[in-house]
Amino acid sequence: AQTVTQSQPEMSVQEAETVTLSCTYDTSENNYYLFWYKQPPSRQMILVIRQEAYKQQNATENRFSVNFQKAAKSFSLKISDSQLGDTAMYFCAFIITGNQFYFGTGTSLTVIP
Amino acid sequence: NAGVTQTPKFQVLKTGQSMTLQCAQDMNHNSMYWYRQDPGMGLRLIYYSASEGTTDKGEVPNGYNVSRLNKREFSLRLESAAPSQTSVYFCASSELGVRQPQHFGDGTRLSIL
Repeated sequence: AQTVTQSQPEMSVQEAETVTLSCTYDTSENNYYLFWYKQPPSRQMILVIRQEAYKQQNATENRFSVNFQKAAKSFSLKISDSQLGDTAMYFCAFIITGNQFYFGTGTSLTVIP
Repeated sequence: NAGVTQTPKFQVLKTGQSMTLQCAQDMNHNSMYWYRQDPGMGLRLIYYSASEGTTDKGEVPNGYNVSRLNKREFSLRLESAAPSQTSVYFCASSELGVRQPQHFGDGTRLSIL
């Protein structure tokens, strides 16, 4: 069975500091995509960063980067220089190419001024 | 604000009734998607449209039809609603590769009695 686990329901970080959100997943497939989505309060969910499983190089998008450990089935999100606008629910997800989307239960991140 | 707009947000139908869920995006994305979310099942792809004028079946297309009216709009129709179609429906759009949604709508909660 495919599962996504986010073990940190809530986290907080001081503005300008760095925070890492954890995600582990389970699948027997070899080809898949991994994603981090962000849902700010009362706003829509949008894609933050994605990683193809066949790529060893970790993806980066400005202040957001991932640590992808395929053997360990781990996909953590690092947010550098945290900003107040980063306050949101963060969802880890993966999709087996062409098939179902699997989401974690989310981590609520609060950036403290 | 730019994004994906879904209507209605809530709907209750009787078995056998028909209805159309509307979705529009203003980000000029080529790809649009319809998912359903059921407890413990993640997001399952119903139909997607890689570009204006094209539609393709996803994982669970039975009982649904779609129309990509133009680049902005992608509607989902239930011709004869069944209780098994009770779910939360999400529309999404993307400029990324196939089946990699970037931006989700707020969802439509649909109950079939």
